[in-house]
Amino acid sequence: DVKVTQSSRYLVKRTGEKVFLECVQDMDHENMFWYRQDPGLGLRLIYFSYDVKMKEKGDIPEGYSVSREKKERFSLILESASTNQTSMYLCASSLWMDIGEAFFGQGTRLTVV
Amino acid sequence: GDSVTQMEGPVTLSEEACLTINCTYTATGYPSLFWYVQYPGEGLQLLLKATKADDKGSNKGFEATYRKETTSFHLEKGSVQVSDSAVYFCALRSNSGYALNFGKGTSLLVTP
Repeated sequence: DVKVTQSSRYLVKRTGEKVFLECVQDMDHENMFWYRQDPGLGLRLIYFSYDVKMKEKGDIPEGYSVSREKKERFSLILESASTNQTSMYLCASSLWMDIGEAFFGQGTRLTVV
Repeated sequence: GDSVTQMEGPVTLSEEACLTINCTYTATGYPSLFWYVQYPGEGLQLLLKATKADDKGSNKGFEATYRKETTSFHLEKGSVQVSDSAVYFCALRSNSGYALNFGKGTSLLVTP
């Protein structure tokens, strides 16, 4: 089974902190994604990566950056956390040539206080 | 741009009732279409998919048919169970894109 593992289920951080959310997949997938999930808004794409060191902005990249130094790991960075970044963050991965099925991690619920 | 619209929830049904969750999409070309399900406290998992017009995806008693003429991919189940209580997301991936575009999700609660 494909496994996408997010390093934390719950995080509480202070406003202004630099926050790292880590995601690891074990199936050699080329594509990796970060979404945030908010009530009434569904899932919105923050960033994705289709190869090591490659990244593309999604729909809501402001206030975020990403890093992909190894194929299996994709990190989301909140440069200076703010309360409006309190949310559920979901990581996903997929094969490059697959017709689109993505596998998701269990999510990280981040609270910024 | 590509987008997905699905019916607002929450939807509350009694066990063994019929379920339909409407989903329509806007996209150029021929996108692939998906239904994902999120059980409480868990991440999303793929429920079913269809990659071309008139394809029917099915899994766990759920079905959805890719209708290009009406740009729809409605999720149906003939008899729901309490264990089907979850949030359901319709999604599409365009042929030229990497990422999935999701609808806002529909919460389903099935009562005994």
